[in-house]
Amino acid sequence: AQKITQTQPGMFVQEKEAVTLDCTYDTSDQSYGLFWYKQPSSGEMIFLIYQGSYDEQNATEGRYSLNFQKARKSANLVISASQLGDSAMYFCAMRVFVFGPGTRLSVLP
Amino acid sequence: GEEVAQTPKHLVRGEGQKAKLYCAPIKGHSYVFWYQQVLKNEFKFLISFQNENVFDETGMPKERFSAKCLPNSPCSLEIQATKLEDSAVYFCASSPIFPRQANYGYTFGSGTRLTVV
Repeated sequence: AQKITQTQPGMFVQEKEAVTLDCTYDTSDQSYGLFWYKQPSSGEMIFLIYQGSYDEQNATEGRYSLNFQKARKSANLVISASQLGDSAMYFCAMRVFVFGPGTRLSVLP
Repeated sequence: GEEVAQTPKHLVRGEGQKAKLYCAPIKGHSYVFWYQQVLKNEFKFLISFQNENVFDETGMPKERFSAKCLPNSPCSLEIQATKLEDSAVYFCASSPIFPRQANYGYTFGSGTRLTVV
């Protein structure tokens, strides 16, 4: 069975600082994809970043980067230079079927 | 269009009534996925379609829930005899290919909030 674990129900970060949101996964598949989504209070799901299991380099998208450690089965999201607008729920997901419980990030002014 | 259109945005049903939600995928997208999110927390996969065929229904409750994707019509998710616990936001997503090893064009709709009273 596949499972995503996000051990941080809530996180706080000071504006302009970097923050890492943890995600570990469990799968016996050799080929898979890992996604991160942001869900602001308005409710929509916003795709942030994707990492394929065979990608040799860590994915980056603007201020978002993914610290992918395949052997440890972790795919942590790093947000650099946090902004107030980054306050939201963040979900890690494997393929499109399995989502983690989410981490609520609050950016403090 | 370039967005996944979900209707209605809000739906209120009395316990025991039927609820029907609609999702129009992006034109050219063959795959449609339905999810249920309760209280903005648990995000649960329900069912996926490849065109009009059920691709994976492992997340669908065995009773009361059904879904269809018919040609030239929006996809639908129907809940018979709704219960209070069905109150959630139901999201739909579509993709041109199955997002197995990539994320080409996989797009969420804005959701339908179902409230069962």
